[in-house]
Amino acid sequence: NAGVTQTPKFQVLKTGQSMTLQCAQDMNHNSMYWYRQDPGMGLRLIYYSASEGTTDKGEVPNGYNVSRLNKREFSLRLESAAPSQTSVYFCASSGDGRMNTEAFFGQGTRLTVV
Amino acid sequence: QQPVQSPQAVILREGEDAVINCSSSKALYSVHWYRQKHGEAPVFLMILLKGGEQKGHEKISASFNEKKQQSSLYLTASQLSYSGTYFCGTEVKTSGSRLTFGEGTQLTVNP
Repeated sequence: NAGVTQTPKFQVLKTGQSMTLQCAQDMNHNSMYWYRQDPGMGLRLIYYSASEGTTDKGEVPNGYNVSRLNKREFSLRLESAAPSQTSVYFCASSGDGRMNTEAFFGQGTRLTVV
Repeated sequence: QQPVQSPQAVILREGEDAVINCSSSKALYSVHWYRQKHGEAPVFLMILLKGGEQKGHEKISASFNEKKQQSSLYLTASQLSYSGTYFCGTEVKTSGSRLTFGEGTQLTVNP
């Protein structure tokens, strides 16, 4: 039982390059989330998907796009990476449409934009 | 909408107690508590759904005052393994399944 799997674990991009962070969960969860974590800033919500086919903006959506490909997968895309997007990105999933159950986190993607 | 945590950092000796507070300016649907070790993903501790509800996890417990939109995490007889950063996450009643986190409280337990 893998839980929440993120790929890649590490990535270095040049300013202006694009990339997609992948996230998949095998717990049949409805809700999925993308957070970024910067030192001293806690976890900030980028986008979330309460159910398959829906996505909503979080606190810091600018510069990102998401796709809820199916119930299992939720990807995060950086169209034109900027140094300010250097961060650790976490994907999370939760059982139902409200966050009233435990959220499971992936191991994170450490992204550096130079 | 980010909840506010206090204190930002706590240093304890093994066996001492600590309280971490979390407050919101919005009416809350739920409060979550997570602990994160350095370089790892956050790990779930507990969730509180109703006003006044208290949950426990080993020697770690929490309360939720729905009227004040506040939650507190209590760590008693701290152990070295309790070291890490503690985050509260809150779900606001009017925002659906949108879980936002505070900036975290860094807890260090020394021998």
